[in-house]
Amino acid sequence: EADIYQTPRYLVIGTGKKITLECSQTMGHDKMYWYQQDPGMELHLIHYSYGVNSTEKGDLSSESTVSRIRTEHFPLTLESARPSHTSQYLCASSAGPPTVYGYTFGSGTRLTVV
Amino acid sequence: GQQVMQIPQYQHVQEGEDFTTYCNSSTTLSNIQWYKQRPGGHPVFLIQLVKSGEVKKQKRLTFQFGEAKKNSSLHITATQTTDVGTYFCARPYYGGSQGNLIFGKGTKLSVKP
Repeated sequence: EADIYQTPRYLVIGTGKKITLECSQTMGHDKMYWYQQDPGMELHLIHYSYGVNSTEKGDLSSESTVSRIRTEHFPLTLESARPSHTSQYLCASSAGPPTVYGYTFGSGTRLTVV
Repeated sequence: GQQVMQIPQYQHVQEGEDFTTYCNSSTTLSNIQWYKQRPGGHPVFLIQLVKSGEVKKQKRLTFQFGEAKKNSSLHITATQTTDVGTYFCARPYYGGSQGNLIFGKGTKLSVKP
């Protein structure tokens, strides 16, 4: 069972609201990632972190921001939610380079902005 | 580019039939990974292939890495309803964000009982 937790599991929120999606892992992994995935579609990397105080933007432009103050915690924030942000957000971590260790994904947050 | 092409995009099979999905790259890969995502779920790591011509089996699943390390396949023998989901291959990203993965668009498998 994956030791990476995402909350909330589902979120419906109004346009313009600020939201934070939580992601925590208990495996001590330095590398953490956020992917965006529309239902049944491909995964797009939006943010990643190689350790505390390290954050980078991924390949898909996103209006979200992330922080990494603690190893186990990698929250994603949307300052002003819009309907175009409606999607599933998946958090993942890796014990080392993902090309060697692969990803462990959380259960995801399904976000709907109305 | 660095994308991987997965075919087919969708596959509908009768329970008991075999299923194969293919992952193709225009460039040589150091390795490739496969993930399965159940409907409404999250991707789960299945396997990694590293060697040219490598074949690995997990029960009814057979994974292959091509001799040229540009393509890979996942074959399921005698599908069951528990095999339903989307199968993604993922390749290394070569560039600034080294060590990260690029996912294919996936093959969605449905199994009719």
